[in-house]
Amino acid sequence: QSALTQPASVSGSPGQSITISCTGTSNDVGSFNLVTWYQRHPGKAPKLVIYEDNKRPSGVSHRFSGSKSGNTASLTISGLQAEDEADYYCCSYARSYTVVFGGGTKVTVL
Amino acid sequence: EVQLVESGGGLVQPGRSLRLSCAASGFTFDDYAMHWVRQAPGKGLEWVSGISWNSGRKGYADSVKGRFTISRDNAKNSLYLQMNSLRAEDTALYYCAKDDSGGITMILDWGQGTLVTVSS
Repeated sequence: QSALTQPASVSGSPGQSITISCTGTSNDVGSFNLVTWYQRHPGKAPKLVIYEDNKRPSGVSHRFSGSKSGNTASLTISGLQAEDEADYYCCSYARSYTVVFGGGTKVTVL
Repeated sequence: EVQLVESGGGLVQPGRSLRLSCAASGFTFDDYAMHWVRQAPGKGLEWVSGISWNSGRKGYADSVKGRFTISRDNAKNSLYLQMNSLRAEDTALYYCAKDDSGGITMILDWGQGTLVTVSS
């Protein structure tokens, strides 16, 4: 069980778009349409922003979108806002009833 | 509204045991798989274990396999994590989380967490 690979940090100015990558393997990201993305503000529980690779839960801003190509999933935040500053984690179902997280990406709004 | 309330955390010596509990409400508990996820100080999220709706399927992270046991009591709407042979590296905030389905697939909802500190 190896963690999914995410960049440690990504930054952007208000109004810009940023993309966070999440690289796994054919045993997890590449084999299942079960990538989720979570936003986590300090001291708060994680919040789901994308599920099943590219679906957005009700109540989540349309500025959040997900995609996937092969073993790499991506989260794009468009029209970056100050409130988007947080840690973001990708997650995927892996084989044999296990789940694996990425190491997390700190998003900074400049 | 989904509510997940963890309890049972605390300070424990290395090598000892601790049992975490999670009380679930706001949804039909026995329709969904459940998970434990942890976050060590200064580290990222780590999936610990998952259990299917009927306890028929269980999965564990390699880091806890053989030491931790996940279980559930659908009659009590409760999830448990028995943690044995605890190590300093098990120190973390432990979250109870709800799946999207009865099988182990993906985590949708989270509790607020209970803190476990392993130290002598």
